Amino acid sequence: SQTIHQWPATLVQPVGSPLSLECTVEGTSNPNLYWYRQAAGRGLQLLFYSVGIGQISSEVPQNLSASRPQDRQFILSSKKLLLSDSGFYLCAWRFDSGYTFGSGTRLTVV
Amino acid sequence: QKEVEQNSGPLSVPEGAIASLNCTYSDRGSQSFFWYRQYSGKSPELIMFIYSNGDKEDGRFTAQLNKASQYVSLLIRDSQPSDSATYLCAARISSGSARQLTFGSGTQLTVLP
Repeated sequence: SQTIHQWPATLVQPVGSPLSLECTVEGTSNPNLYWYRQAAGRGLQLLFYSVGIGQISSEVPQNLSASRPQDRQFILSSKKLLLSDSGFYLCAWRFDSGYTFGSGTRLTVV
Repeated sequence: QKEVEQNSGPLSVPEGAIASLNCTYSDRGSQSFFWYRQYSGKSPELIMFIYSNGDKEDGRFTAQLNKASQYVSLLIRDSQPSDSATYLCAARISSGSARQLTFGSGTQLTVLP
């Protein structure tokens, strides 16, 4: 069966520090992978998606970047965090009947 | 701007009642629609998806789609306190080779015991 792993679960980082969030998928090959962000009390905002290794599409210009170094690995990064980067970050994998989300990372920038 | 809109609520219903959640979408090219449930502090989980006009039933849940009116709804029969959550509506659009989901902002449902 397919599973999606995301870590860490929570993260508190100071302004200006770097960020690396990792997402891995098991049980499938060449998945379409997505990074979403959810601000408190808000809907899901698509940040990046990837259809294959090294292929990244950015939906919203911002302080973040994404990379796909392996088929089933998707990484979200920042060189210098801003207060506005706080939120709930979700990795998702697409299958025919919808998306499956990871358990999410709650990031607080202080 | 392709959008999916939902009433933010909160919507409160008594236990055992029918909860009705509504969603409209702006992109007529949207082909499929999804309802997710999100408990506080958790990630969204898929409840149902619907592709064709009409109703689709799964247990206590019924999704309804009207493409002419660009309207999607979710009915929850015999609502339970455990149904209290935020419900997200999503529409799937096509963008290159990756079909993306566009989400509404969600409707918060509270089922009162």
